Amino acid sequence: EDQVTQSPEALRLQEGESSSLNCSYTVSGLRGLFWYRQDPGKGPEFLFTLYSAGEEKEKERLKATLTKKESFLHITAPKPEDSATYLCAVSVGSQGNLIFGKGTKLSVKP
Amino acid sequence: GAVVSQHPSRVICKSGTSVKIECRSLDFQATTMFWYRQFPKQSLMLMATSNEGSKATYEQGVEKDKFLINHASLTLSTLTVTSAHPEDSSFYICSASSGVTGELFFGEGSRLTVL
Repeated sequence: EDQVTQSPEALRLQEGESSSLNCSYTVSGLRGLFWYRQDPGKGPEFLFTLYSAGEEKEKERLKATLTKKESFLHITAPKPEDSATYLCAVSVGSQGNLIFGKGTKLSVKP
Repeated sequence: GAVVSQHPSRVICKSGTSVKIECRSLDFQATTMFWYRQFPKQSLMLMATSNEGSKATYEQGVEKDKFLINHASLTLSTLTVTSAHPEDSSFYICSASSGVTGELFFGEGSRLTVL
């Protein structure tokens, strides 16, 4: 069964304290791994897509990496505005539907 | 990035009534749209895959007669919750793929509250 597991469930950081979020997956055929940011009461906002092991992508303070079993979202020197739930999802179907993890709720205190 | 618009953002209805939620891709054509449901503190669960011009494909456990999906054009898909009950109260989110990069873009979501 295809599965996506994110850890930790919640993460509290001080402003400027770098850390990483983990997304491990077991799927029969990975077509892509996606990271989204979701603010309360809003739809997910696209961040990154990774397609193959070894791939890395960066956007401002965020950097996503991918191995054959997991992906990391590294947050460097976070700011309070980075507080949100970060969702990881994998695409396995031919039509592009996603299987989501439960997310990591990040809180960054000033 | 591509923009997906969802309407209404919030709706409150009485038990037994039907509610329609619209999902539009504003700057691209989407042959496939997806409908997700999200309960508090839970992740997104795929309800159905909507294909333009054909019947939607529902995930196991999702009642197709309860959640009617219509994808009449390349830019519009609708989800109708029929005879809504309090247990249907949830956050419904649609998504669409631009097809160019395979990325899925999401609407802002619709919060349904059934009294």
